[in-house]
Amino acid sequence: SQTIHQWPATLVQPVGSPLSLECTVEGTSNPNLYWYRQAAGRGLQLLFYSVGIGQISSEVPQNLSASRPQDRQFILSSKKLLLSDSGFYLCAWSVPSGQKETQYFGPGTRLLVL
Amino acid sequence: GEDVEQSLFLSVREGDSSVINCTYTDSSSTYLYWYKQEPGAGLQLLTYIFSNMDMKQDQRLTVLLNKKDKHLSLRIADTQTGDSAIYFCAERKSGGYQKVTFGTGTKLQVIP
Repeated sequence: SQTIHQWPATLVQPVGSPLSLECTVEGTSNPNLYWYRQAAGRGLQLLFYSVGIGQISSEVPQNLSASRPQDRQFILSSKKLLLSDSGFYLCAWSVPSGQKETQYFGPGTRLLVL
Repeated sequence: GEDVEQSLFLSVREGDSSVINCTYTDSSSTYLYWYKQEPGAGLQLLTYIFSNMDMKQDQRLTVLLNKKDKHLSLRIADTQTGDSAIYFCAERKSGGYQKVTFGTGTKLQVIP
């Protein structure tokens, strides 16, 4: 069966520090991968998606970047965190299958920037 | 989530039915989803419905789709305290990259 892991689960970082959040998927090959941010009391905002190694699409201009160094690894990064980067970050994967494609989510990383 | 709207909060008594509503704006949406998020956790897919269907039932869950009004609802029968969570509606649009747009979520509180 497929599983998705995210770490760390919780992170407290000072403003201006770098960030690296990791997401890995097991049990599937060549998944589509996604990073979402959920601000407190708000819905999900798609940040990045990837259809393959080294292929990253950004949905919104921001202080963050993403990379996919391996097929089942998706990394969210920042060189200098802002207060507004605080939130709950969710990674998701899906099997490319056209219109029926369904996304499955990881447990999330809660980031607090102080 | 600006294209998918949900009420923010719903409170029901244990044993009653819960109905969570969602409206979307893209008539070309192909699949519509309901996800559940428990406190501090990721999103769990509950069910989905294809746009050519009117209804889908899965145990205590019933999804109703009104394409004319672009209205989607999730009914939970015999609501339990374990159903307390945030419920997200999401739509998958057709054409090009099939982006999934999520609503803001409805927080369901079940009162014992």
